[in-house]
Amino acid sequence: KAGVTQTPRYLIKTRGQQVTLSCSPISGHRSVSWYQQTPGQGLQFLFEYFSETQRNKGNFPGRFSGRQFSNSRSEMNVSTLELGDSALYLCASSWGSNTGELFFGEGSRLTVL
Amino acid sequence: DQQVKQNSPSLSVQEGRISILNCDYTNSMFDYFLWYKKYPAEGPTFLISISSIKDKNEDGRFTVFLNKSAKHLSLHIVPSQPGDSAVYFCAASAIGGGADGLTFGKGTHLIIQP
Repeated sequence: KAGVTQTPRYLIKTRGQQVTLSCSPISGHRSVSWYQQTPGQGLQFLFEYFSETQRNKGNFPGRFSGRQFSNSRSEMNVSTLELGDSALYLCASSWGSNTGELFFGEGSRLTVL
Repeated sequence: DQQVKQNSPSLSVQEGRISILNCDYTNSMFDYFLWYKKYPAEGPTFLISISSIKDKNEDGRFTVFLNKSAKHLSLHIVPSQPGDSAVYFCAASAIGGGADGLTFGKGTHLIIQP
């Protein structure tokens, strides 16, 4: 059974640019959550999508957005990048709940210069 | 305000001994707790969980203890093995709450010394 797949694995952007990250959940999983991991803050919840609808949202500015497609694949977008957005962005999927066991991808490492 | 705290950024333990990783939480609405393990360049993987109706859950070498009155949980690994060297994250959630997903601690880097 294929795991959660995230692309790209690594990318470098400059301030002011925007970026789109992609996540393919485990087959059959309908919930996709996104987390940001930084050395100082640990893993922080960005948002969760379920059946193409954003179900929950963390405390991040509106520059961070996402969407989910009918096949449960999800994308997240960060606009007007700032240096502080440099982080590992992790996608996690589950059957339905975003508060139990989650299956994480390997993450997309974003560096903003 | 950090709702889940792992106060030890790192912990070094000799192979074969017991590793004890600690986690404290402040939100009394949390009723489900999980531990995740993370190797470099990989995503976190689920290790073990415990519901607030229990005070102990075992899975092989891993045992999680929950003290609700103290808002404290701990993960015991016995015996510790070299492959256990990783970063361990404590996470908490309020089942049905959903709004904040899982709330993670900042992690403890466990190093198993041969």
